[in-house]
Formats: sequence, structure tokens, C-alpha cells
Amino acid sequence: GAVVSQHPSRVICKSGTSVKIECRSLDFQATTMFWYRQFPKQSLMLMATSNEGSKATYEQGVEKDKFLINHASLTLSTLTVTSAHPEDSSFYICSARADRSVQETQYFGPGTRLLVL
Amino acid sequence: DQQVKQNSPSLSVQEGRISILNCDYTNSMFDYFLWYKKYPAEGPTFLISISSIKDKNEDGRFTVFLNKSAKHLSLHIVPSQPGDSAVYFCAAMELGTASKLTFGTGTRLQVTL
Repeated sequence: GAVVSQHPSRVICKSGTSVKIECRSLDFQATTMFWYRQFPKQSLMLMATSNEGSKATYEQGVEKDKFLINHASLTLSTLTVTSAHPEDSSFYICSARADRSVQETQYFGPGTRLLVL
Repeated sequence: DQQVKQNSPSLSVQEGRISILNCDYTNSMFDYFLWYKKYPAEGPTFLISISSIKDKNEDGRFTVFLNKSAKHLSLHIVPSQPGDSAVYFCAAMELGTASKLTFGTGTRLQVTL
């Protein structure tokens, strides 16, 4: 199947700093990538839809100035958590939709565990 | 407002028996459904999907059933294997809406020896 990578896998940072998470589709091109967050024992919540070459579309309640998304190429999207606070600690997962996919399947990255102290 | 619900947070099944995971949805606009398997600290892995024009889709040990009138779908795994132990998420989407997935809360399946 298609491979999506995320970097870093874990990050610990101080409150007030910014953290960048990369999401890459390794063996396919992805016009559209998605960013989710998951709190412990809860569902994956879609944060935003990232389209290559255009501005991301954010879900209701997600602060676009806090969660900056850049989709600079067909294989890379980045999520920057700006001025991170402890409540931003979560598991962040990206997914990518293969453009050639007929089944609308999204392929997920392994996730990034963010801990803000 | 939880549009996709998995009412059983956990399920324990003996190896070799059938595992049945259930999912209910409320949004009648959803017309494509997927099941994902997830291990701790990993991203979800796609298992199987079904569109609303079908009521059954089978792939090896995995079968998904869709009852549109009841807004209910289920995933059957038979025979269950210890390696199937994971959290299973159902997800739904409305085709043509940029592939936005709405996930259920997950069911933790434990397959015992």
C-alpha cells in the first residue's frame, strides 16, 4: 500500500515554543492531505484539509493562526503548532489521499506525539 | 455532535471465532464508509470500505455489511486471530466533499488464545 511518513515521531517542547511536524507521501503524489489530532481514548478529529498550492481549510473550532499548515509540494505538508501550550499536547496524525485512488482511500502517517511542558 | 458512533468501546473474542464490530451513523448524506485498524502510537491502517450502493463487501477474512435504512454498518472478522487485536475505527464520508472523514470513537478488539 501507499506509504506516508511523519517526522518527528515524538517531540517534547517548552510552553511558548513552536513545533513543526512534517508529513510526506513517499511513493505517491497527494494533492490533498489531512491533519487530525487524537486525544487519549478518543476519536480522530479532523483539524484541517491541506491542498497543494492553496490555503488550508480548517474545521470549525480550529485556530488557523495557531495551527499553521503549508502544503508546498505534492508530497509534503507541514503543520506548525505556534506558541504551544500544555493543552496542545496530543497525538497528531496526517493522512494523504492518493490522486490515482478510485476508492477515496486515505493513507495515514504513523503520527506524532507532542508533549508541551 | 458525534455523527459516527461505535457504542462498544471494547470487545473480547476467542481465537478462531467471529468478531463483529458495529458502527452507527446519523448523517444521511454519508455515502462511503471505511474501517481502519489502529495500534497504539501508530496511524490507522485502511482495512476495507463500502459505498452506499452496496450492502456487503468482502476481502479475505474481513466483511463489511451496510444497512442504510438503519444507518448501521458492521465489520466481521472470521476467523479472528491474535494479530487482529487492535483498535478499530469506522469512518464515514460524503463523496465529493474533498474526502473529509468523520471517525467513530473506536472499539478495542482483544483476540484471546
